[in-house]
Amino acid sequence: GAGVSQSPRYKVAKRGQDVALRCDPISGHVSLFWYQQALGQGPEFLTYFQNEAQLDKSGLPSDRFFAERPEGSVSTLKIQRTQQEDSAVYLCASSLELAGGYEQYFGPGTRLTVT
Amino acid sequence: AQTVTQSQPEMSVQEAETVTLSCTYDTSENNYYLFWYKQPPSRQMILVIRQEAYKQQNATENRFSVNFQKAAKSFSLKISDSQLGDTAMYFCAFCSYGQNFVFGPGTRLSVLP
Repeated sequence: GAGVSQSPRYKVAKRGQDVALRCDPISGHVSLFWYQQALGQGPEFLTYFQNEAQLDKSGLPSDRFFAERPEGSVSTLKIQRTQQEDSAVYLCASSLELAGGYEQYFGPGTRLTVT
Repeated sequence: AQTVTQSQPEMSVQEAETVTLSCTYDTSENNYYLFWYKQPPSRQMILVIRQEAYKQQNATENRFSVNFQKAAKSFSLKISDSQLGDTAMYFCAFCSYGQNFVFGPGTRLSVLP
């Protein structure tokens, strides 16, 4: 079956612009995660959804970051008034559920460059 | 808070040789899960191997095996018969029951022909 897909794969934004990053999880996966990965580093947790409910957003770095998953499937991560420090790869992952340490399946990521 | 440490930023190994990547973690939990993920250059992250903390037996997946030392909070990955396709970033990850994943900083492995 299809894996996790993300779009766009690459995004260049001028400082101050708003961006929206999309994630299509594996069908039937309850849990969806967003991570931020700086160059040469490990993924850092941003936020987590179980179906349409955002259960944890403790990793969002500022109130400029907003995520939604209105119908419990596709998710969008929005960054308002982008800053240069927002430049990173944004990874989306999905899993059957959170409890039980299920494997997370990752998408290819969106590389955001803020100029 | 849980932390994951990978003390080897970069490693290299000759093709067909064996290499071990180190990972240590810090937690006060008793039930948790450990993972090794592989991220090839410009490709997406995929699971290599998974270990449940309550299982004493070390997990194995073909050429990949782990040495899980719960008391020492150590979770190393051994790659046998290294292949060129094993060249990638390797991330160790931890999650306790019902909690999010915490990833280490990664080890860049190069397999040399």
